[in-house]
Parts: sequence; C-alpha cells; structure tokens
Amino acid sequence: DADVTQTPRNRITKTGKRIMLECSQTKGHDRMYWYRQDPGLGLRLIYYSFDVKDINKGEISDGYSVSRQAQAKFSLSLESAIPNQTALYFCATSTGPNQPQHFGDGTRLSIL
Amino acid sequence: GESVGLHLPTLSVQEGDNSIINCAYSNSASDYFIWYKQESGKGPQFIIDIRSNMDKRQGQRVTVLLNKTVKHLSLQIAATQPGDSAVYFCAETYMEYGNKLVFGAGTILRVKS
Repeated sequence: DADVTQTPRNRITKTGKRIMLECSQTKGHDRMYWYRQDPGLGLRLIYYSFDVKDINKGEISDGYSVSRQAQAKFSLSLESAIPNQTALYFCATSTGPNQPQHFGDGTRLSIL
Repeated sequence: GESVGLHLPTLSVQEGDNSIINCAYSNSASDYFIWYKQESGKGPQFIIDIRSNMDKRQGQRVTVLLNKTVKHLSLQIAATQPGDSAVYFCAETYMEYGNKLVFGAGTILRVKS
C-alpha cells in the first residue's frame, strides 16, 4: 500500500547497534501499529499508538521502543540490536476499532 | 488461528477451480474478523472483513463465512487465478484485547496452471 511507506526496505547491521525504522502515512489515520513477522508465524504486535500522545505496548515490546512524532509518522527503534530480532517488520494504520489495518511493504532487518 | 510454527498449511488448486481457506479462531468473544493476502516481498493486503453479527459477506470473487458455534472462519475464492497465489491470513479482534488484531499463522495458496 503506497499510502504507508516504510524506510529502509532492507537493513543489515551488527549486534549491539542502535537501529531506527521509519513509517509515514498519507491516509490521515489516527491509529498506527508496528508488527514483527517471522517465517511461518503470523504477525505479532510490538507497539501501537492511537494518536500523537498515545503509546502502548503490544505482546512483544521488550527490546523495542517507539516514537509518534506526528499523526503521519511512527518510528520503531531497537536500542541494542540482537540476532533474534532478525525479522520482517511491518507498519500499519487504521481509522479505529473494528476497521481494516493498512500495511506498508515492510522492512527486512538482519542482525549479524 | 494458532501458530503452526515453520510449516504453514498449503492449499494447491487448479486454475479456474474454487478455493476454500479455513481458519479456527481462538476467542468466542471476538467481534470482528478480517482476511489478508500477502504476496512475496509485500505487506498484507486487506481482502474482506466481517462482523460477528453476520455469518456471510461477499466481495468481488471472494466470500467470507463465519460460524461462531465452532469458532470457524473461511475464505472462498471463486475461479481461482494464478495471481491469487499468496499466503492468506485471518485475524480476529475482541474487546479484552483492546480491539487489536490477533493474526493466525497463515495458509499458502498455490494455483496450478
């Protein structure tokens, strides 16, 4: 979905490095989400935000932090990357509860 | 849906046939359900959704059926095409989880020409 843009699309880095993944949206949605996807598993929620002043932990938030700088931007940080954080990361947006979430095309992150 | 680890179930169908992808959901209180399609190298793409006060909803070439008695959701794709080849995910949401989506592990659909 071109309305939800994730950067970078691919990143290879070393253990212990700090990494930031960025997400921006032009859909005007209030709600934004970060998910992680591992091979053979469904998407798991890391953090979510319902507006600029709202940050909430998802099911796997340990080792991650987020910042909602504006309605259109939601960034995910790995303060000190470790190899088991190697995964596909997706950002999504929605208008509210019980509404479809719209996903970006993901960031493939590899930590050596 | 529940995680099945590294080996996703796979459905192989002949081009032109109908496909049925099944999903067992976990919470009887879930009130909204959604199907996504994910192609290689892309993010999940919304296909169709259904609320718990319905048992069937139709879209273009797709139908979602909800059976709350047995906590089962299915996606039917009519006249399956090669472009339908992808991984399909179901997701549910319920109030106790703050209306956040809970995703199943996915099913691989392979369309044979």
